[in-house]
Amino acid sequence: SQTIHQWPATLVQPVGSPLSLECTVEGTSNPNLYWYRQAAGRGLQLLFYSVGIGQISSEVPQNLSASRPQDRQFILSSKKLLLSDSGFYLCAWSVFSDTQYFGPGTRLTVL
Amino acid sequence: AQSVTQLDSQVPVFEEAPVELRCNYSSSVSVYLFWYVQYPNQGLQLLLKYLSGSTLVKGINGFEAEFNKSQTSFHLRKPSVHISDTAEYFCAVRTIFGNEKLTFGTGTRLTIIP
Repeated sequence: SQTIHQWPATLVQPVGSPLSLECTVEGTSNPNLYWYRQAAGRGLQLLFYSVGIGQISSEVPQNLSASRPQDRQFILSSKKLLLSDSGFYLCAWSVFSDTQYFGPGTRLTVL
Repeated sequence: AQSVTQLDSQVPVFEEAPVELRCNYSSSVSVYLFWYVQYPNQGLQLLLKYLSGSTLVKGINGFEAEFNKSQTSFHLRKPSVHISDTAEYFCAVRTIFGNEKLTFGTGTRLTIIP
């Protein structure tokens, strides 16, 4: 069966520091991959999605970037974090289906 | 573009009482509809989905939802809630054709009162 991993689970970073969040999927090939952010008291906002290695689409211009170096690996990065980057970051995957399946999330606090 | 409105941000319900969480959507094309549940500090878990066919959809944990095309609604119901149903519930929509991007509502926090 398919599983999705995210790490770290929690992260506290100072303003201006870099960021790297990782997401990996097991048990499937060629998944579509997604990064969402959930800010406190809000719904989910799609940040990036990828249909293949090196193919990234950005939904919202911002301080973040994404990369997909391997088929089942999706990385969210920032060179300099802002206070507004705080939130709960969720990775999701789908494969030729109507449904997205979500990982456990990373809670990021920027101080 | 499509949008999703969850009319209630918070819903308190007594244990063993019925509950309905409301979801309305807007789209100029046909859509798929989803309900996800999020327990504290966890990811989202799929509760149920409507793709086609019967408008009454049954999901996990005793939940069901009814697709009403004329009212563009997809309300979630459970006849008798339990303490373990305390969570945040998200309605989401995506178009049938094109990419698989989901548009989410802002969520409804369901609190079960003992």
